[in-house]
Amino acid sequence: GESVGLHLPTLSVQEGDNSIINCAYSNSASDYFIWYKQESGKGPQFIIDIRSNMDKRQGQRVTVLLNKTVKHLSLQIAATQPGDSAVYFCAQPPGGGNKLTFGTGTQLKVEL
Amino acid sequence: DAGVIQSPRHEVTEMGQEVTLRCKPISGHDYLFWYRQTMMRGLELLIYFNNNVPIDDSGMPEDRFSAKMPNASFSTLKIQPSEPRDSAVYFCASSLRNGGGPLHFGNGTRLTVT
Repeated sequence: GESVGLHLPTLSVQEGDNSIINCAYSNSASDYFIWYKQESGKGPQFIIDIRSNMDKRQGQRVTVLLNKTVKHLSLQIAATQPGDSAVYFCAQPPGGGNKLTFGTGTQLKVEL
Repeated sequence: DAGVIQSPRHEVTEMGQEVTLRCKPISGHDYLFWYRQTMMRGLELLIYFNNNVPIDDSGMPEDRFSAKMPNASFSTLKIQPSEPRDSAVYFCASSLRNGGGPLHFGNGTRLTVT
């Protein structure tokens, strides 16, 4: 039969608008969460991380929100630019340490 | 800092041939990881090392895959014999410490097995 690849959720935003990318996780034991950005032909690039004792962390144009009650993580990008177009992954170490498990990713497309 | 360096960037080989992928981690990083990325399965952890010692190889698909880290600045992932289903992008990553420091990835090796 025909093989089917992972269906990446896609988020399309207008340049200058804010983007919100969501991620649900299942392992309550995780105490560390990371967002990565992957551009075409490149490896995943670290954006921002957050530990479970925080619910919000801000970087340059990016904010990560953590809701442990509903096991939800989000990445907010302010004033989205064409260079933000990429696949965004959330990752966590299920059992602690550095052994990261990655989500399936969200494709962000920035429209001019 | 040059970052994690992988070679080759692209590899095309015939089924049955041996393939060796190479990685130079960031200097001073204690952990090294090999991941594989495909459209079907996304990013999968194959194996990781701490201080040159393999810690967890539960992600290695089968005995055809092997990885070594002879010193702190070099690691190899070998596939022998290669099969078409091994076609994927293989990433190496390194990190400074345990406890949740971010991984730093190389730009990967795109392997095509015909």
